[in-house]
Amino acid sequence: GESVGLHLPTLSVQEGDNSIINCAYSNSASDYFIWYKQESGKGPQFIIDIRSNMDKRQGQRVTVLLNKTVKHLSLQIAATQPGDSAVYFCAENIWVGNRDDKIIFGKGTRLHILP
Amino acid sequence: DAGVTQSPTHLIKTRGQQVTLRCSPKSGHDTVSWYQQALGQGPQFIFQYYEEEERQRGNFPDRFSGHQFPNYSSELNVNALLLGDSALYLCASSLDKRQFFGPGTRLTVL
Repeated sequence: GESVGLHLPTLSVQEGDNSIINCAYSNSASDYFIWYKQESGKGPQFIIDIRSNMDKRQGQRVTVLLNKTVKHLSLQIAATQPGDSAVYFCAENIWVGNRDDKIIFGKGTRLHILP
Repeated sequence: DAGVTQSPTHLIKTRGQQVTLRCSPKSGHDTVSWYQQALGQGPQFIFQYYEEEERQRGNFPDRFSGHQFPNYSSELNVNALLLGDSALYLCASSLDKRQFFGPGTRLTVL
């Protein structure tokens, strides 16, 4: 497996403000990107995805931006709420042919909401 | 419509033992992937099953093996358990590229 640190970077945001979580990916062959939210003791929950032929996609209160030139992905959460507190992972899908894909997760960012 | 389910929720084993974890995919999904998540880290890809065959594998030893059944459910087997195998084991199912995760099985190896 890949080497990752034990301490997740933390982003602290005031309730009601916008949050921006950033992620760098590594593989130029990645064709699909996903953001997941993971609350304590639970499995990752799908938030939003984007294909490599797009540079922006919007959902409900969330926006994902993709910059393929610098291999950078970001997740913007509008009007952050206490329920947004979680660890957020970006993931890249590497297509290796036919139906064969594997997803590689980034290191994760802990989002902490300040009252 | 039930999402991805996994059993058991928690499991405690001792070194050298063998363990089997189970996963039922979301209705309509035909592909199952397994991940290992150590504390404080992101999920690490173990392998993926489609049409009852292992299609992709991550950097895990042969002690980790799996199976997919005709109803698309899957098992993860780990032999000769090591202390370092203690982790949350996640199953994800998909029909296309979008993977949906189960709640995981927390494995503790003593």
